[in-house]
Parts: sequence; C-alpha cells; structure tokens
Amino acid sequence: AAGVIQSPRHLIKEKRETATLKCYPIPRHDTVYWYQQGPGQDPQFLISFYEKMQSDKGSIPDRFSAQQFSDYHSELNMSSLELGDSALYFCASSPSGGRDNEQFFGPGTRLTVL
Amino acid sequence: KNQVEQSPQSLIILEGKNCTLQCNYTVSPFSNLRWYKQDTGRGPVSLTIMTFSENTKSNGRYTATLDADTKQSSLHITASQLSDSASYICVVSAPKSFQKLVFGTGTRLLVSP
Repeated sequence: AAGVIQSPRHLIKEKRETATLKCYPIPRHDTVYWYQQGPGQDPQFLISFYEKMQSDKGSIPDRFSAQQFSDYHSELNMSSLELGDSALYFCASSPSGGRDNEQFFGPGTRLTVL
Repeated sequence: KNQVEQSPQSLIILEGKNCTLQCNYTVSPFSNLRWYKQDTGRGPVSLTIMTFSENTKSNGRYTATLDADTKQSSLHITASQLSDSASYICVVSAPKSFQKLVFGTGTRLLVSP
C-alpha cells in the first residue's frame, strides 16, 4: 500500500540558508500535518492543512511557512536556518472521513544545519 | 508537566519475554489514544488506536488497554522479538483539535538476545 512520501530524506544546510521539505500524502488523504522531532525528544506539532487551507497551528517559528497544493502535497519552507533547527521533520496524512482521522507518518526528513 | 507521561523511560528485556509499558494522561476532553512504534530515525508507525469506550485492543503480539476513568493505558508486548527494539510512544488526541496529537515522552525498549 502507498505510504506518505517525504523528500529529501536527508538535507544539510548552513546557518542562514533556506530549505524546502516536501510531503506527498497517501492518495485520497486530504489532511497533512508537519512535526519537528529534536534529538531524544517527542515530535512537536508545527502546522496542519485540510483541503489546502491551514487548519491548525502549533509551535511553528515565524521563519517557517507551509502550504498545501491542489494535488494535496505540502511543502514546508524554512528560512534563516539556525543550528537549533536540526531535527527530524515528519509529515503525516489522514483522510477526513477516516476512522478517528488516524495519522499515517512518513519516514521523515533529517535536516542538519551546520 | 507533560500531559502524557510514560513509564518506564527505558527498558531492557530478554528475547521471548513479555513486557508492559505504561501511559498516564491528563488530556481532557479525550478523543482517542494511540500507541506508536518508532524505530530510530524513522517515522512513527501506528500499533493501536482506542476511543474512550474501548478497554482493550490487540494487534498481533501487541495488546493495549485503556482505563478512561483513571486516564491510564498500557501496552503489553508478548513473546518479544529483537525487532521490537524501538521507542514506543503513547499519543492522545482531544476532540475538535483537528486531530492535533499530544505525544508522550516515549519508552525506549531494547530486546536483547
């Protein structure tokens, strides 16, 4: 069965650079969530989208922005990168009519900021 | 104080043994509780999901229980295998939060041969 796809899987950037992470949800899933997981920490919710509109906002820094496109894929744009942004970034998707809207996680993008 | 706390923080067991992981939560109101398995550097994979009306849910060698009155859940792993070595995360969601999940602190399980 198709799963959530994230790209790239690994990314190395320098301070003050920008990065764009992409997420392709499971087909027919219209809701996308972004999470940030620092080393040894639990995932922190950043932001979510439903039907291309922002549905909820968590601890996303102002330097980050995200959007969901007409094909339901989502991109997380990160600017003025800081060392503390080094983390695993997970995307999850869920169908709006699914059982309890269970979230299916992608494999993550490991971002390293040097 | 974390709204979802898990114990123990880490656990080492011998292959073939059983173990039980605990989760206490204060999230209220409560919609559902999930247990995820997360291998190092990978995305969490759902094991079980339970609503407040469900007391137990099994998925192979994994059995989750829920006591909504005491706000406690447990995940029992039977006949552990080396591949069970991972972090196990208890996750609670509240209704009308558009499924924003509250993650527990996780239990890191190591199954040794």
